Amino acid sequence: QKEVEQDPGPLSVPEGAIVSLNCTYSNSAFQYFMWYRQYSRKGPELLMYTYSSGNKEDGRFTAQVDKSSKYISLFIRDSQPSDSATYLCASMEYGNKLVFGAGTILRVKS
Amino acid sequence: GAGVSQSPSNKVTEKGKDVELRCDPISGHTALYWYRQSLGQGLEFLIYFQGNSAPDKSGLPSDRFSAERTGGSVSTLTIQRTQQEDSAVYLCASSLTDRAYNEQFFGPGTRLTVL
Repeated sequence: QKEVEQDPGPLSVPEGAIVSLNCTYSNSAFQYFMWYRQYSRKGPELLMYTYSSGNKEDGRFTAQVDKSSKYISLFIRDSQPSDSATYLCASMEYGNKLVFGAGTILRVKS
Repeated sequence: GAGVSQSPSNKVTEKGKDVELRCDPISGHTALYWYRQSLGQGLEFLIYFQGNSAPDKSGLPSDRFSAERTGGSVSTLTIQRTQQEDSAVYLCASSLTDRAYNEQFFGPGTRLTVL
């Protein structure tokens, strides 16, 4: 079993929809939780990070972490075709190597 | 300023040959990481360097893989006697330090194809 599990999709939604992306993890020592976005043939870029449990909002994006259930979520409001990409959740214990989920391919249709 | 750069962007090699992949981190970043992204395995940690400390090599899949970082800046990942299962995108990232949380900035990757 991988330390971070993520459904690879693909997930296809119409423009304007609310998108929900989710991951689960097994390592209780994870403290930091990140969402990266990766466009085709590019490196991942950080969207949001959260320390421990809680919510964090940035524009159309909301990240949630529930450490009691080991569940990580990313919500995208008013999705746009430009949001079409692979979304990777990642976790780390402290300041070093990231452990990634498999990535979910998102397609937003105009 | 300039981001993380990697070279070459694409590398095609024959099984059994050695390859070297290069990473130039963001200036001033003391931590440097190598990851591998393949279809079957997703994005996996390989090795990381922090300043003058001994590198964490816990993710290297075999002794055919090695990496060095010269002068605390540029890093080279070497794969000896390449195998077809080594085909993947090799990503480098750097961060200011590895203390607490510091964002890791990724390069565009080197796409390695082993024939």
